[in-house]
Amino acid sequence: EPEVTQTPSHQVTQMGQEVILRCVPISNHLYFYWYRQILGQKVEFLVSFYNNEISEKSEIFDDQFSVERPDGSNFTLKIRSTKLEDSAMYFCASTGTSGSTWAGELFFGEGSRLTVL
Amino acid sequence: AQSVTQLGSHVSVSEGALVLLRCNYSSSVPPYLFWYVQYPNQGLQLLLKYTTGATLVKGINGFEAEFKKSETSFHLTKPSAHMSDAAEYFCAVSGGFSGGYNKLIFGAGTRLAVHP
Repeated sequence: EPEVTQTPSHQVTQMGQEVILRCVPISNHLYFYWYRQILGQKVEFLVSFYNNEISEKSEIFDDQFSVERPDGSNFTLKIRSTKLEDSAMYFCASTGTSGSTWAGELFFGEGSRLTVL
Repeated sequence: AQSVTQLGSHVSVSEGALVLLRCNYSSSVPPYLFWYVQYPNQGLQLLLKYTTGATLVKGINGFEAEFKKSETSFHLTKPSAHMSDAAEYFCAVSGGFSGGYNKLIFGAGTRLAVHP
């Protein structure tokens, strides 16, 4: 069964460093999302991406964050200069087209845990 | 705007006992409601969803949930817990989906422990 894969599963970084989290969405999907969960808090929407551009972003997704689909398969989230408060689990998700069989489900990866020291 | 509140960050039940995980939502439009589960070292997996029609929805692994508009609730239940149900459960709401796009608003999750 097709699945969304994320790497790395866990990354530890120093404050101020750049981090890139990678996701491989399901191959025929067109919409891509990043969510994050700070420990003990809600899973928060960060950004959605469609047709090589951001379709929607939350207020959390400030200039320190960026997303891109560099090669038609990977979908990346870059944090330019990490802060302590960026420590969280980051989830990637994808969805397909509006075909008759799609019923609103988002397909999620296992998550990447980011720890900023 | 939508939001979700899950009461109880941790719930512990005995094997064979009833599972009840609570979810209340707020939505300015008719809500679409979802329950996802995350087993250890796996991604979030859809358990069940309510969009329109029957308010009692059944999902995988014997779980079901009932949409109660008057109570703005969508609680998840299972009559008899199994050890394999131990996982984290997330309730989510959206204002609908179309064209392949669905923005989910999640709660904080409830970790379910099942003991012998």
